[in-house]
Amino acid sequence: AQSVAQPEDQVNVAEGNPLTVKCTYSVSGNPYLFWYVQYPNRGLQFLLKYITGDNLVKGSYGFEAEFNKSQTSFHLKKPSALVSDSALYFCAVRVLISSGSARQLTFGSGTQLTVLP
Amino acid sequence: ETGVTQTPRHLVMGMTNKKSLKCEQHLGHNAMYWYKQSAKKPLELMFVYSLEERVENNSVPSRFSPECPNSSHLFLHLHTLQPEDSALYLCASSQEGLAGDTQYFGPGTRLTVL
Repeated sequence: AQSVAQPEDQVNVAEGNPLTVKCTYSVSGNPYLFWYVQYPNRGLQFLLKYITGDNLVKGSYGFEAEFNKSQTSFHLKKPSALVSDSALYFCAVRVLISSGSARQLTFGSGTQLTVLP
Repeated sequence: ETGVTQTPRHLVMGMTNKKSLKCEQHLGHNAMYWYKQSAKKPLELMFVYSLEERVENNSVPSRFSPECPNSSHLFLHLHTLQPEDSALYLCASSQEGLAGDTQYFGPGTRLTVL
């Protein structure tokens, strides 16, 4: 079975400090990995994805993520956090639906990031 | 958020009511999805439509009935819901067939069942 885990429900970081939001995955085959952010009363916004190639992926709003195959991880990072980065972050992994061509995203449980001024 | 829109944004209904949620995507995509987001739980995929055909139904109760009349519109018809169905319902779309295609989400409908 494919799964993704976000081991931290809550991450607090001071503004200006680097931040890391952790994600590990378990899939059969090569994973497609995604990060999304959700602000209060809003839908999920796409941040970045890893498909293949360079293990360091750069995305929106200065975020980046590093794919580590040996550790089956895809941690989200930002060198300098902003108060406006405070939100709920979701990691997701792509799995193939056997019944059709559509592909299902399996989401982690989310990590609430709070950046303190 | 003009890519994927959802209406209404908020809905309160009794257990005997019938209502519908609407989703429209303006991205030219060929696949659409319904997700349920409950507090303290991961997002749950409910239905997937690819090229207007339902290709996935994740054991969702029959009181939820999806409809996809064309590639741009997706509905979720609700009837005789239970209080535990209260949640944020999210619609998403993607372009199938592209390697690593990305799902883009609407803002969601906050549903409260009394």
